[in-house]
Amino acid sequence: QQQVRQSSQSLTVWEGETAILNCSYENSAFDYFPWYQQFPGEGPALLIAIRSVSDKKEDGRFTIFFNKREKNLSLHIKDSQPGDSATYFCAASDTNAYKVIFGKGTHLHVLP
Amino acid sequence: GPKVLQIPSHQIIDMGQMVTLNCDPVSNHLYFYWYKQILGQQMEFLVNFYNGKVMEKSKLFKDQFSVERPDGSYFTLKIQPTALEDSAVYFCASSPRQGQDTQYFGPGTRLLVL
Repeated sequence: QQQVRQSSQSLTVWEGETAILNCSYENSAFDYFPWYQQFPGEGPALLIAIRSVSDKKEDGRFTIFFNKREKNLSLHIKDSQPGDSATYFCAASDTNAYKVIFGKGTHLHVLP
Repeated sequence: GPKVLQIPSHQIIDMGQMVTLNCDPVSNHLYFYWYKQILGQQMEFLVNFYNGKVMEKSKLFKDQFSVERPDGSYFTLKIQPTALEDSAVYFCASSPRQGQDTQYFGPGTRLLVL
């Protein structure tokens, strides 16, 4: 059973548009949700993260919207740039966890 | 930012041989992890290691797998013997603490088992 689901395997947007990547989860105990960005040939790097006590986290062009009741969240990338083209992983863990559960990733393509 | 190093970057071996993947975690981190990724797809958790012990492992962490970090040196993943399905990219990660701490990932070791 997939504990963290990313609704789109692939997403294509034009440069300047807002890319919206969706994610949902199963386990109500999850309280920490990092998004990782991965470029080909590299390891994932933390992009932005939110804790379940918040419903929004913003960092520059990147914003997480979190809905605890619905158990879903989304990553919004404003003013998308070709350099944002990468795979984005939604992930989740709980405070006492020894591991982070990753979704299958969304491949974002930003066209110039 | 903090860097996790992995050696080697690529490894090609024959099925049945032993392989050791090496990870140099961030210096003040206490928790270490291995993940497996196939074809740029999902990151699959393998194992978490803390204070010389495996804290949690997944079903993917077969009996042929072992981890250790002798005397604060490299954190290693050993596969003995290897199988064709072990071909993947293996990522090491480390974090200061568990749970809500950021995990920092290395660049990965690309393992090909022939």
